[in-house]
Amino acid sequence: QKEVEQNSGPLSVPEGAIASLNCTYSDRGSQSFFWYRQYSGKSPELIMFIYSNGDKEDGRFTAQLNKASQYVSLLIRDSQPSDSATYLCAPNQAGTALIFGKGTTLSVSS
Amino acid sequence: DGGITQSPKYLFRKEGQNVTLSCEQNLNHDAMYWYRQDPGQGLRLIYYSQIVNDFQKGDIAEGYSVSREKKESFPLTVTSAQKNPTAFYLCASSPRDRGTTGELFFGEGSRLTVL
Repeated sequence: QKEVEQNSGPLSVPEGAIASLNCTYSDRGSQSFFWYRQYSGKSPELIMFIYSNGDKEDGRFTAQLNKASQYVSLLIRDSQPSDSATYLCAPNQAGTALIFGKGTTLSVSS
Repeated sequence: DGGITQSPKYLFRKEGQNVTLSCEQNLNHDAMYWYRQDPGQGLRLIYYSQIVNDFQKGDIAEGYSVSREKKESFPLTVTSAQKNPTAFYLCASSPRDRGTTGELFFGEGSRLTVL
């Protein structure tokens, strides 16, 4: 059974701080990963796709992938109240469907 | 505009009734998916289809059925056999990039409540 583990939170950070979200996965064959953001009552939206070891930056978001440790993280710099949402991690799969972690709920206080 | 349309957005059902949730996409994607989400939970896979006239069970297929007669359409039927069907249902599609799932594009979801 392929598993994706995320801390459910809630993770609370003050406005302007760095939020760090973590994800571990059991399938050593996973080579790339998606991070989705989901606002309450809405559908998920893609915010980051990473396929190489190391860091990938996009604006205030940085994804970090370590395939040897089977660990992927998402850093949000200068956190804003609008970043308050649930963040879902999913390894890209070959031949099947995305399996999501349970998500980490982030709360940014102003 | 290209996208995924789910209907209805809200649905109420009496116990013992079957209901069908519609999902239509005009993105020309081969693969389509149905997920279920309960409060405070992640997305759990119900069924997926990688090609017309073919589909596979996900982790929680019991009590659900699907069909894929057209590339654009992937309806989900919640049968009376589903013991706890109240949930938020999400349909998605993907282009399946180089043999992998690829990015999922989601509809707005259908919220089913059993009375």
